[in-house]
Amino acid sequence: GAGVSQSPRYKVTKRGQDVALRCDPISGHVSLYWYRQALGQGPEFLTYFNYEAQQDKSGLPNDRFSAERPEGSISTLTIQRTEQRDSAMYRCASSLRLDRGGHTDTQYFGPGTRLTVL
Amino acid sequence: AQKITQTQPGMFVQEKEAVTLDCTYDTSDPSYGLFWYKQPSSGEMIFLIYQGSYDQQNATEGRYSLNFQKARKSANLVISASQLGDSAMYFCAMREPARAGGYNKLIFGAGTRLAVHP
Repeated sequence: GAGVSQSPRYKVTKRGQDVALRCDPISGHVSLYWYRQALGQGPEFLTYFNYEAQQDKSGLPNDRFSAERPEGSISTLTIQRTEQRDSAMYRCASSLRLDRGGHTDTQYFGPGTRLTVL
Repeated sequence: AQKITQTQPGMFVQEKEAVTLDCTYDTSDPSYGLFWYKQPSSGEMIFLIYQGSYDQQNATEGRYSLNFQKARKSANLVISASQLGDSAMYFCAMREPARAGGYNKLIFGAGTRLAVHP
């Protein structure tokens, strides 16, 4: 079946502009996660949703970053007034939530959006 | 605070030989999960294998196995019979314990770049 999809795959923007990154999770997956990955490093958690509820946004760097998932499916990560330090790969992942854990908690990642802020 | 350490920035292995990628973790919680992901040069994040903290046996998935030593807090990935296509970045990750009924974020190590030589 279809995996996690993200769009756009590449985004180049000028400093000060707003950007919106989209994630479409695997069908039936109720948990959705956003991560940011700098070059040569592992991904870092930003925020996550169960259905439409944002459960944890502790990783969002500052209030220029926000995310929503209004209908419990597609999610949008928005960065306002972008800065050069926001340049990174932004990854979305989804999982079939199971409280007790196990393989159904595995997070499956999308291809990412490479954001470059000039 | 939870932490994942991958001490090998780069590894080389001859095709058809086995290789071990090291991962140590630090947590005081008794319940946690450990994952390995592969990131080829194309940039995808591919799930390889999962080990739960209460699992009695080491996880195996085809040519991948996880050498789980709980007392030493290590979760090394073993790739048997290396193939040229195994050349990639490998990330170890730990899932934080459940909060409010669900599991959430993954914490990633810095990664190990594996090069398989013919």
